[in-house]
Amino acid sequence: NAGVTQTPKFQVLKTGQSMTLQCAQDMNHEYMSWYRQDPGMGLRLIHYSVGAGITDQGEVPNGYNVSRSTTEDFPLRLLSAAPSQTSVYFCASRKGTAQYFGPGTRLTVL
Amino acid sequence: GQQLNQSPQSMFIQEGEDVSMNCTSSSIFNTWLWYKQDPGEGPVLLIALYKAGELTSNGRLTAQFGITRKDSFLNISASIPSDVGIYFCAGITGNQFYFGTGTSLTVIP
Repeated sequence: NAGVTQTPKFQVLKTGQSMTLQCAQDMNHEYMSWYRQDPGMGLRLIHYSVGAGITDQGEVPNGYNVSRSTTEDFPLRLLSAAPSQTSVYFCASRKGTAQYFGPGTRLTVL
Repeated sequence: GQQLNQSPQSMFIQEGEDVSMNCTSSSIFNTWLWYKQDPGEGPVLLIALYKAGELTSNGRLTAQFGITRKDSFLNISASIPSDVGIYFCAGITGNQFYFGTGTSLTVIP
């Protein structure tokens, strides 16, 4: 099993550009999440999904969209990137209390 | 959102020393978790706690679920260089995880 995979690992965007961060898991987990990690602030939940076709907002959803067309994939879209979205983004999948994180995407918005 | 405060924010210790860190919240959680994050990687689960007062070990790591359900503690005994990293607590309420701000641990050989 590859676990949770994320692409790209690094990305630099200009303000106003859009992009999609990819996330996939091969553990057949229903629950998937996106977090952002900023210095001194821990991990904050952006969006989550409890199964294919179902998504919901987390703590910091503004500026991000998600969709869940399959169990395996949970992409995160930045609609119009802003410098405040410079962060490290982690995707996770979960079964019960066991949450598995991907390696992260380090995003810089200039 | 829920605020989890971890202390200390950072620690510098000699190899072989014991380490203690804690996590407190203004809210009650039903489950407490402790994660470790290595540089450039995602967090990895170390210990999960499910009942108030529970004490659970994983090798040299021991964690406790506070009686008030508003705090948790992690101890690392006889630290080694590979213990270096950031340690996060997390509380679960409903269907959501809430993470602490992290404790950065440096072990000096």
